[in-house]
Amino acid sequence: KQEVTQIPAALSVPEGENLVLNCSFTDSAIYNLQWFRQDPGKGLTSLLLIQSSQREQTSGRLNASLDKSSGRSTLYIAASQPGDSATYLCAAPNSGYALNFGKGTSLLVTP
Amino acid sequence: EAQVTQNPRYLITVTGKKLTVTCSQNMNHEYMSWYRQDPGLGLRQIYYSMNVEVTDKGDVPEGYKVSRKEKRNFPLILESPSPNQTSLYFCASSPRLAGGVDEQFFGPGTRLTVL
Repeated sequence: KQEVTQIPAALSVPEGENLVLNCSFTDSAIYNLQWFRQDPGKGLTSLLLIQSSQREQTSGRLNASLDKSSGRSTLYIAASQPGDSATYLCAAPNSGYALNFGKGTSLLVTP
Repeated sequence: EAQVTQNPRYLITVTGKKLTVTCSQNMNHEYMSWYRQDPGLGLRQIYYSMNVEVTDKGDVPEGYKVSRKEKRNFPLILESPSPNQTSLYFCASSPRLAGGVDEQFFGPGTRLTVL
């Protein structure tokens, strides 16, 4: 069964800092890996999807990398802003069609 | 606008009273799924469907039923709700690719309270 772990569980940084969120998974035979953002009491917004054949994906100030051999993915946020404050979740498929989520990293960016 | 919709958004009910949470997507996606989110436990998959009339259990299917009679709809049924089913529920959809699923799109969530 795919197990997904996110470290740290919570992170507080001052505005402007670059930061890295970590995600690890146990089954390296994944089809893809997806990063989401969730604001309090809200739904999930897809940020980046990395296919198994890719090493990284970029969208604006966000960059996600994938290393299947080590079972790790990282989400890099450049020049953080208070509006980036949210919970960030990574999700990896389990046997192809079921999806397993990490418990998330709660990010607070202070002005 | 491409979206996944859920209804109702909020529901308070009593133990044993059957209820249905509807989910609909307008993106012609083959794959649909239901999750519940609980503090400390994160998001857990309840059921998923790879196409019309094809459904399978996720990690926590007990106490839930689903059906997929049409491609766009995937209702979640609680035949006899219990307080431990109080949770935030999300529906999601995705194109299905050979060997897996593509980017998943989530609905806004349904907050269910069972008294």
